[in-house]
Amino acid sequence: NAGVMQNPRHLVRRRGQEARLRCSPMKGHSHVYWYRQLPEEGLKFMVYLQKENIIDESGMPKERFSAEFPKEGPSILRIQQVVRGDSAAYFCASSPPGGSQETQYFGPGTRLLVL
Amino acid sequence: DQQVKQNSPSLSVQEGRISILNCDYTNSMFDYFLWYKKYPAEGPTFLISISSIKDKNEDGRFTVFLNKSAKHLSLHIVPSQPGDSAVYFCAARSNDYKLSFGAGTTVTVRA
Repeated sequence: NAGVMQNPRHLVRRRGQEARLRCSPMKGHSHVYWYRQLPEEGLKFMVYLQKENIIDESGMPKERFSAEFPKEGPSILRIQQVVRGDSAAYFCASSPPGGSQETQYFGPGTRLLVL
Repeated sequence: DQQVKQNSPSLSVQEGRISILNCDYTNSMFDYFLWYKKYPAEGPTFLISISSIKDKNEDGRFTVFLNKSAKHLSLHIVPSQPGDSAVYFCAARSNDYKLSFGAGTTVTVRA
């Protein structure tokens, strides 16, 4: 029973490039959440998605960031024209369809470094 | 605005002794609290949680205490083991899905 999977685990981009982070939720989970952790800080909520729907993106920067969770395939967090301040660990979590108040289980994260 | 605060960035404890991690929160609407453990280069792993209708929840070596009037919770680990060395995050939510995390406490268990 695989847990939440994220890839790549490490991603290096130059300023101005695009970063695509992928997340496959646990089997049977239909709710996906993305969090960002800056150095020396806790995780900060970014976006909550269900299949083909963005439920809450209130934690996402208004520009350059987007997320999707298509009917087939993993959830994608996309960062366009990356800047150095985007360097962080990005964690995806999933929860079962019982409701969004179920415990969230986290993936190993993608560490993004912008040069 | 930091709604969940872990004021001790680090804690060192002797193996076999009790580890006590503290967490304070400011949002009185929070009704569910969780502790996560995180090893380097891994994601947070769920440890234990407590609802605001309770003041204590125990699971093996882990016990979480909640003091709503003080807006304070703590995690007790007893006895501490070397494998407990990790970063511990306190998290809270208010009747929805958004988890607010503290900055974490790094626990080192000394042999």
